[in-house]
Amino acid sequence: EIVMTQSPATLSVSPGERATLSCRASQTVSSNLAWYQQKPGQAPRLLIYGASTRATGIPARFSGSGSGTEFTLTINSLQSEDFAVYYCQQYNNWPPWTFGQGTKVEIK
Amino acid sequence: EVQLVESGGTLVQPGGSLRLSCAASGFSFSTYWMSWVRQAPGKGLEWVANIKQDGSEKYYVDSVKGRFTISRDNAKNSLFLQMNSLRAEDTAVYFCARLNIFGWFDPWGHGTLVTVSS
Repeated sequence: EIVMTQSPATLSVSPGERATLSCRASQTVSSNLAWYQQKPGQAPRLLIYGASTRATGIPARFSGSGSGTEFTLTINSLQSEDFAVYYCQQYNNWPPWTFGQGTKVEIK
Repeated sequence: EVQLVESGGTLVQPGGSLRLSCAASGFSFSTYWMSWVRQAPGKGLEWVANIKQDGSEKYYVDSVKGRFTISRDNAKNSLFLQMNSLRAEDTAVYFCARLNIFGWFDPWGHGTLVTVSS
């Protein structure tokens, strides 16, 4: 089973600043990685797939990078609606399909 | 508009059974893999089960194998999760999600809460 590890657990950022979230896989997942955003009481929403391709309707301030075992989600110029929990998920080796434990982006 | 609406979550005693349903609309349900993903209170996301378009392939996380069964009714655009021998650790919000052919989940339903407690 591939274990996904996200860091940091919590990221405090001021509105308008940049947030950089990390996701590490226990073995290579190539570019088969997705990112999701989840707000309290809501379902997760797909942000990025293929490590770097934005899903339909996702603003350009969200960008993904990386391959192999190291991945980054960058959110430029944070807006109030971006404060949420973010999860990475690998789909290279399955089953199981595995998620990271999440990074909470909170207002500084 | 693609929509997934879960139902069936409730309070159930340990050892009990429950059947969750997910009603799909706005897309050709029979042409997609479908999934259940759960989230324990205050915790992260955990994939539970997937089912192929025609039901011929199913996958489960180890912790539910032999207790949960995923199924679908393509004529009714519906996905199901039969949950038996429920344990306290099965307490979670259960999300129905469409599985893209490459392996990501999109979209997701709003979820249904299953609480296993005496």
